[in-house]
Amino acid sequence: QQQVKQSPQSLIVQKGGISIINCAYENTAFDYFPWYQQFPGKGPALLIAIRPDVSEKKEGRFTISFNKSAKQFSLHIMDSQPGDSATYFCAASKGGNEKLTFGTGTRLTIIP
Amino acid sequence: DAGVIQSPRHEVTEMGQEVTLRCKPISGHNSLFWYRQTMMRGLELLIYFNNNVPIDDSGMPEDRFSAKMPNASFSTLKIQPSEPRDSAVYFCASSLPGTTDTQYFGPGTRLTVL
Repeated sequence: QQQVKQSPQSLIVQKGGISIINCAYENTAFDYFPWYQQFPGKGPALLIAIRPDVSEKKEGRFTISFNKSAKQFSLHIMDSQPGDSATYFCAASKGGNEKLTFGTGTRLTIIP
Repeated sequence: DAGVIQSPRHEVTEMGQEVTLRCKPISGHNSLFWYRQTMMRGLELLIYFNNNVPIDDSGMPEDRFSAKMPNASFSTLKIQPSEPRDSAVYFCASSLPGTTDTQYFGPGTRLTVL
């Protein structure tokens, strides 16, 4: 049972463009939605996260948009740079000591 | 500060052999997670411990897989006997007490079973 669906599977964006990755969840008990970034040969690392009491969170060039009624959230990378090329995972949890449920990942490539 | 430490970084073994992967979580963290990553299935949670006690092992594929956490600073994931379909990157992650919201991942162990 896939509780967090992520799309697209891969994405190619030109340098300076906007990268958008989408996720949808099913479990309305989820109340924490992080994004993890993974570079080749490394483990995933927390990039940015949001809770459902806000509709948007921005940290530098990275923004999470959250739509509670649609049970969807997305990652926007503004002014995308080659250094942003990585695999991005969305995730969700019920918070506290509950486990994270990860999406299937999006391989992002930023081309010059 | 040292992050999560995993060993070995690479393991190549033959089908039927026993494989043991090791993890040292970040000091002070009391939750530990084992994940498996493959191209086909993405990042899967195998098992997680809280205060050295297994909380959820529903992701462990079958009886060939076992995990232990004898103390707060060490955990093992064992596969016996190993099969080619076990080939993957295995990650260990840890988190601070009271929350699993932010998980710190180790560099992973790339396992190849021939």
